[in-house]
Amino acid sequence: EVQLVESGGGLVQPGGSLRLSCAASGFTFSSYEMNWVRQAPGKGLEWVSYISSSGSTMYYADSVKGRFTISRDNAKNSLYLQMSSLRAEDTAVYYCAREIPHFDCWGQGTLVTVSS
Amino acid sequence: QPVLTQPTSLSASPGASARFTCTLRSGINVGTYRIYWYQQKPGSLPRYLLKYKSDSDKQQGSGVPSRFSGSKDASTNAGLLLISGLQSEDEADYYCAIWYSSTWVFGGGTKLTVL
Repeated sequence: EVQLVESGGGLVQPGGSLRLSCAASGFTFSSYEMNWVRQAPGKGLEWVSYISSSGSTMYYADSVKGRFTISRDNAKNSLYLQMSSLRAEDTAVYYCAREIPHFDCWGQGTLVTVSS
Repeated sequence: QPVLTQPTSLSASPGASARFTCTLRSGINVGTYRIYWYQQKPGSLPRYLLKYKSDSDKQQGSGVPSRFSGSKDASTNAGLLLISGLQSEDEADYYCAIWYSSTWVFGGGTKLTVL
């Protein structure tokens, strides 16, 4: 069974940092492009970042560029999102999603709350 | 102006049809892009419905009924999602998305009420 499980969310103060992880199982992780998508409470979907299957290419939404870094460890079947200089508007559920090229598999999400 | 604009809400009766629009910003030609559609029910993950670029370049999501279909309206520069034979279970938020300038862009979503 294809499965994505996020972790690492929590409460962080403005300006703080957090690292999200996404553990993949049930498929050949190294063959797939991956993304982070977030959804603020009661709001719509917002794409955050993309990484190629090899990890050599990354793209970011303007809203997070320079603050967030996406990475992956294909040996560990894991995707990461390093978030720094966090702002209140980064508060959201963060999903990792497999791209084929549509998003066919989503994790359950991890909630990040940025508040003092 | 956002890259993709969707109406906030839409309501229709059971058995009727619903037409969702996803309007691309002026200067971005809808004919160039595959439009992806997702459904998200309250408390659930987004579900891929279909993608549509043209009648020869389209794809239905796995398990998605044929009453869900995609098209385009070049005159309004919009991608369209059509749902026929509406059912109460279709009540959800619907999002369009495109791959634009090396980023994924989602529309703001349209909330469908079936009443």
